[in-house]
Amino acid sequence: SAVISQKPSRDICQRGTSLTIQCQVDSQVTMMFWYRQQPGQSLTLIATANQGSEATYESGFVIDKFPISRPNLTFSTLTVSNMSPEDSSIYLCSVEGRDGFYEQYFGPGTRLTVT
Amino acid sequence: DAKTTQPTSMDCAEGRAANLPCNHSTISGNEYVYWYRQIHSQGPQYIIHGLKNNETNEMASLIITEDRKSSTLILPHATLRDTAVYYCIVRVASNAEKLTFGTGTRLTIIP
Repeated sequence: SAVISQKPSRDICQRGTSLTIQCQVDSQVTMMFWYRQQPGQSLTLIATANQGSEATYESGFVIDKFPISRPNLTFSTLTVSNMSPEDSSIYLCSVEGRDGFYEQYFGPGTRLTVT
Repeated sequence: DAKTTQPTSMDCAEGRAANLPCNHSTISGNEYVYWYRQIHSQGPQYIIHGLKNNETNEMASLIITEDRKSSTLILPHATLRDTAVYYCIVRVASNAEKLTFGTGTRLTIIP
């Protein structure tokens, strides 16, 4: 399994501002994923980020709102732009395992509160 | 459309085996059954997966029925730290297939 860290672990932000969340992995991985978990809800995939290419966004998520960077094989960032209270969620990154069975390993998450 | 059906919640006494069921009656031949859990305030944790044979690892056992329409995750000796939401997910083992989380089963281990 991979060891994944996220920064910040939590933040309180004002509406209209932006927050960039960092995800660091202890080994090189091809694919990284970003999820959102709204209060009391299950996880929803935002986008898939491959190094060297544009992220692929799921229905309902757009690049202008959630720009993603993937500068190398161990790091990615997700920015939540022009935030509103509806963006208050836990944001998680994950990576695929290396055993060929496509399980995923998750970071601890970033708890965002927008006031 | 949901591919799996799980009970909303379950309780289990500490030290006993916790058996978490999952129905996946429309599973395709190339789809695996994956189990994850999410302990409060943490990211999801991969537990185990299987195709058609029963599987066991250091965390749990996975029993898949012969027709593959249902499965059971077994935590053999539940502890208080096993209290979590458990997700059963059916998907093709491919990076082209996303991981779709349902509502899961909230398992509470009772002291």
